[in-house]
Amino acid sequence: NAGVTQTPKFRVLKTGQSMTLLCAQDMNHEYMYWYRQDPGMGLRLIHYSVGEGTTAKGEVPDGYNVSRLKKQNFLLGLESAAPSQTSVYFCASRDRDFSGANVLTFGAGSRLTVL
Amino acid sequence: KNQVEQSPQSLIILEGKNCTLQCNYTVSPFSNLRWYKQDTGRGPVSLTIMTFSENTKSNGRYTATLDADTKQSSLHITASQLSDSASYICVVSPFSGGYNKLIFGAGTRLAVHP
Repeated sequence: NAGVTQTPKFRVLKTGQSMTLLCAQDMNHEYMYWYRQDPGMGLRLIHYSVGEGTTAKGEVPDGYNVSRLKKQNFLLGLESAAPSQTSVYFCASRDRDFSGANVLTFGAGSRLTVL
Repeated sequence: KNQVEQSPQSLIILEGKNCTLQCNYTVSPFSNLRWYKQDTGRGPVSLTIMTFSENTKSNGRYTATLDADTKQSSLHITASQLSDSASYICVVSPFSGGYNKLIFGAGTRLAVHP
């Protein structure tokens, strides 16, 4: 099992360019999440999905769009990149549960630099 | 505002020594508290999960404790190894929120030197 795979691992963009980060999971998980991690701050939720065809906003959704056309894939798009979006982006997934104590499985991260 | 504060920000210890990392939170009520380990260039990996009614949880050389009255948690690492060098992240889940409401601390960066 590969778990959660993110592509690309590194990307440099110029201000105003667009790009898409791909997250793929092979665990048949229902729920998927996109976070950003900035120095000195905890991970912050950008968008999430509770199933194929659904998306919802997280804590910091502005400037990002997402799509979940297939259960195993969750795409994060930047339509017009800004320097403030320089960050490390993490995708995570989990299975459906009712205990509230499920474990998030994270990808290895995608480091994005916007010049 | 719900917050999770971790201390110290960074820590250097010698291989074989023990250390304790702290997590203070203001989230109330909360459902559970998690500790994650994040190696450099990797995503976080779960170490322990404790519900509000649990006081301690161990995972090998890692022992997490929770004091819900003082809203403090600690992660104790015994007989440290070079592979313990990583960031350790405390995460609190508010009682009324789902996984989309998890609150992450900024982490403690641990360096274990030979």
